Amino acid sequence: DVKVTQSSRYLVKRTGEKVFLECVQDMDHENMFWYRQDPGLGLRLIYFSYDVKMKEKGDIPEGYSVSREKKERFSLILESASTNQTSMYLCASSSRVPGNTIYFGEGSWLTVV
Amino acid sequence: KNEVEQSPQNLTAQEGEFITINCSYSVGISALHWLQQHPGGGIVSLFMLSSGKKKHGRLIATINIQEKHSSLHITASHPRDSAVYICAVTLSPYSGAGSYQLTFGKGTKLSVIP
Repeated sequence: DVKVTQSSRYLVKRTGEKVFLECVQDMDHENMFWYRQDPGLGLRLIYFSYDVKMKEKGDIPEGYSVSREKKERFSLILESASTNQTSMYLCASSSRVPGNTIYFGEGSWLTVV
Repeated sequence: KNEVEQSPQNLTAQEGEFITINCSYSVGISALHWLQQHPGGGIVSLFMLSSGKKKHGRLIATINIQEKHSSLHITASHPRDSAVYICAVTLSPYSGAGSYQLTFGKGTKLSVIP
């Protein structure tokens, strides 16, 4: 069974803390994505990566960075967490074929206090 | 810029009813995805289609490329179908934008009452 695994399901962090959200996929996919999902706004793309060490900004990259040192792992970093980054974060992966099925992780609920 | 519009935003149905959720988009695409998200859960891909019609159990998805429109139908709806259904598109490689990315609709929240 194909899998995208996000390391933390629920996190509570303080304003100013550095936060790492980890995502691992076991499908040898080239593409990996980080989204955030907020009520009324739907899913918004933060960053994506189409290969190891490659990254591209999505629609809302401000306040975030990413790391892709290995093909199976894509990390989202909040350098200095702020309350407006309280959200549900979803990782996803897909193969390089455009339009191929995309697989999502279970999501990480982050609360910044 | 591509927009993906879904309707309705919210839908309440009685168990057994036939349900239709609509999705329209504004630019050329290479594929359209229907996704399902249960409360508190991750997102599961139901269908990926670029033309015609696909069926899986009680779920049917259709797409009309010329009209830039897709529908998701649920026959004999059941309370376990209660979820948010999200339409997403992968842009055509000729659109000039990254063809790896998805553009999402805001979702349709479906509640099926016993």
